[in-house]
Amino acid sequence: DTGVSQNPRHKITKRGQNVTFRCDPISEHNRLYWYRQTLGQGPEFLTYFQNEAQLEKSRLLSDRFSAERPKGSFSTLEIQRTEQGDSAMYLCASSTQGLAGGEQFFGPGTRLTVL
Amino acid sequence: AQSVTQLDSQVPVFEEAPVELRCNYSSSVSVYLFWYVQYPNQGLQLLLKYLSGSTLVKGINGFEAEFNKSQTSFHLRKPSVHISDTAEYFCAVGGGADGLTFGKGTHLIIQP
Repeated sequence: DTGVSQNPRHKITKRGQNVTFRCDPISEHNRLYWYRQTLGQGPEFLTYFQNEAQLEKSRLLSDRFSAERPKGSFSTLEIQRTEQGDSAMYLCASSTQGLAGGEQFFGPGTRLTVL
Repeated sequence: AQSVTQLDSQVPVFEEAPVELRCNYSSSVSVYLFWYVQYPNQGLQLLLKYLSGSTLVKGINGFEAEFNKSQTSFHLRKPSVHISDTAEYFCAVGGGADGLTFGKGTHLIIQP
């Protein structure tokens, strides 16, 4: 059973550097979501795609954050000029359009530490 | 707009005792309600969901939740907890294709 996978699992970077995370959704899922989870908080929705179209991006935290899903399969989340406040767990989830109630399946996350 | 309130940040319970984790929500549209569990260093796993129909929903690992529209609540219960239930539990609300709105989570601590 292949679930949602995310790479890398951990990333340590210095302030000011750019980082990119990858998410591979469940293969038959056409919707893909990105969330950020900071310590002691629940996940916070950032953006989502239906196939290759990014249908919601107003919740991205700043213009330093961007996401792509060029072929409607895997997705990348990039953070430019990282800041210490970007340190968090970044979660990816996927779902299928036909699945009632928007049930989302989550990956294990990428933990980002900005020094 | 949607929001979720989990009133308890931590709930300590003795092993084999019952537990209830509280969740209240607000939404201006029809809602779907979810409970997810997160074990240390892992992603979120769906415990159960309410979409429509019966207000009592049964999930995995012996958990159940009851949807109460008048009180806008979706409390999670288990009649007898096990040490392996130690984890963070998140209540979430969704209205369809958009992202879910999560509560801050409740840390369930099982004491032997």
